[in-house]
Amino acid sequence: AQTVTQSQPEMSVQEAETVTLSCTYDTSESDYYLFWYKQPPSRQMILVIRQEAYKQQNATENRFSVNFQKAAKSFSLKISDSQLGDAAMYFCAYRSAVMDSNYQLIWGAGTKLIIKP
Amino acid sequence: KAGVTQTPRYLIKTRGQQVTLSCSPISGHRSVSWYQQTPGQGLQFLFEYFSETQRNKGNFPGRFSGRQFSNSRSEMNVSTLELGDSALYLCASRYRGNTEAFFGQGTRLTVV
Repeated sequence: AQTVTQSQPEMSVQEAETVTLSCTYDTSESDYYLFWYKQPPSRQMILVIRQEAYKQQNATENRFSVNFQKAAKSFSLKISDSQLGDAAMYFCAYRSAVMDSNYQLIWGAGTKLIIKP
Repeated sequence: KAGVTQTPRYLIKTRGQQVTLSCSPISGHRSVSWYQQTPGQGLQFLFEYFSETQRNKGNFPGRFSGRQFSNSRSEMNVSTLELGDSALYLCASRYRGNTEAFFGQGTRLTVV
């Protein structure tokens, strides 16, 4: 069974600085997706960034980028130029990409990100 | 395009009662998944429906059930509510199997 681990329950960063959130996962599959979702106080889960396992290039979305290390089964999220609106719970999630497999998301425990003004 | 809509947003029920939660997916999306989020257990998969058929089910007791209608709207039902069922229930829709999931704002269920 696949598992996702986020070892940082809480992180804080000064506004405009850079912060990195950690995520490790375990799987025997070779084809899968990894995601970072953000959950602000409004509770809606918002997709931040997605990485396909077969792609060696790290995904980036504006100020958000990932460091995907497939062999190490590590998937960290870097947020550059942190803004007050980035404050939220961040969840790392795994999903199989095997055809006709179970497409459920498997979640980490989350990291609460605090932005200091 | 309207997002995923979950109703109601908040619900308070008494232990032993049953409850039905509703999820309207994004127009054109045929897959709907449900997740339970609690402080203790985190996010856990409940079930997924695609074209009115349950494709997958998580490790939850039979008190938790769901269905999907021909317009892709989905409902989940919890019977004989227990205090431990208090949680945020999130619904996500996808166009088809291997595409992005978009989430609703959830239904906060409190069992007293």
